[in-house]
Parts: sequence; C-alpha cells; structure tokens
Amino acid sequence: QVQLQESGPGLVKPSETLSLTCTVSGYSISSNIYWGWIRQPPGKGLEWIGNIYHSGNTYYNPSLKSRVTISVDTSKNHFSLKLSSVTAADTAVYYCAKVASGGYNDYWGQGALVTVSS
Amino acid sequence: DIQMTQSPSTLSASVGDRVTITCRASQSINGYLAWYQQKPGKAPNLLIYTASSLESGVPSRFSGSGSGTEFTLTISSLQPDDFATYYCQQYNTYPYTFGQGTKLEIK
Repeated sequence: QVQLQESGPGLVKPSETLSLTCTVSGYSISSNIYWGWIRQPPGKGLEWIGNIYHSGNTYYNPSLKSRVTISVDTSKNHFSLKLSSVTAADTAVYYCAKVASGGYNDYWGQGALVTVSS
Repeated sequence: DIQMTQSPSTLSASVGDRVTITCRASQSINGYLAWYQQKPGKAPNLLIYTASSLESGVPSRFSGSGSGTEFTLTISSLQPDDFATYYCQQYNTYPYTFGQGTKLEIK
C-alpha cells in the first residue's frame, strides 16, 4: 500500500526558508512517475506547487518558481520541498502526493500545517 | 495558466438527491480532468480521472463526463458520507490548476 508522510517544522519565521520532506513507503520513488507538492491556505482552495521525477526533472508553478526548489533522494525514498523568503501568505497545509502516469494525484500524504509567524 | 471555474460554489442538497457540479476550463484540456473529494482536516481523495474514469474503490454513484472545456461531476443519489468539498483539476498543461471548490452541504 502506497503511503506518503510529510515532515518538517510547523512554524517558520518570515523571510526564512520552509523545508518539508515527504517519505514514501510501499512504492519506489525511482519508478517512472512524478511526485508532487500541493498546498492549501487555511479555509481556501488547493494550489499546485510543483512536480519532480526521480531523475530530478522538475516543473514548478510560475507564481512560486523563483522561491521553490523540489528535490529527490532515491536512496532514502523521499522527496523534499524548500520555499524561500516566506511570508504569512505562505501559511498553509502542505501536501505531498504521488502523480499517476496521467498527471493526476492518486495518493496523498495527510498534510503538514506550516505557519509563518515571528 | 488555464483557469478552472467551478459552479456552484455552494450546493445544498438532501440525502437521496441527484446533484451535478460543473467545472469549466478557460481553454481545451483534452479531457485531462480529475475530480477530488475533500473532508475537513483531511487530504483530498481522488474520485475521477480523465474526465470520466472512476478511481478504484470509489462508489459507482459518482460519475464524470464532459469534453473540451466543460465537465461535470454527478452524484446519482447522495449519501450522508458525500457531504464534503469537491475540486476539479486540469493536468493537461503546466502549471496544473484547480477549481476553487464546491462545498456540498446538507439541506
């Protein structure tokens, strides 16, 4: 059974870098699929952040592209998200997800709430 | 970016009702549309992909249809467990984009 679990600090100071890791179990991250990050501000809708392939090929949302980095560590079967220069507007639940071969997200982590506050 | 617009934003219905949610794309997405259900405090759950394919384990009362720029999610007979928020997502073109959501409430 595929499972994803986000981990990382729940509180980040403004202007600092948000860092989250998604650990995958039950599926090899080196498979021929993408892995992705999506976020959801409290009480709002879903925003696609980006996808990464095991080779490191990435696609990012242009609205975040200058601040976001997604990386993969195949030896640990996990992938990571870094978002720099955060502000209160980056406060959200961050989800990692498996991207099915078509491009939709068929498995999701439970989500990690990250609050940006001093 | 492709804009996805869902209607209505809120829908009040009763158990047993047939309901339809619409999702319109700002340009053709070649059928690359998914529907998700989200309950409070939980991650979204995939219901439908490629506009009309039912994800394994999803009850058959859920169905999707549409092509081009207009798509619908239909629940044939609402069950108590179906009251949630529903999102569409296009994955034809990067950046992938979601609709703003439709909250299905109990009447």
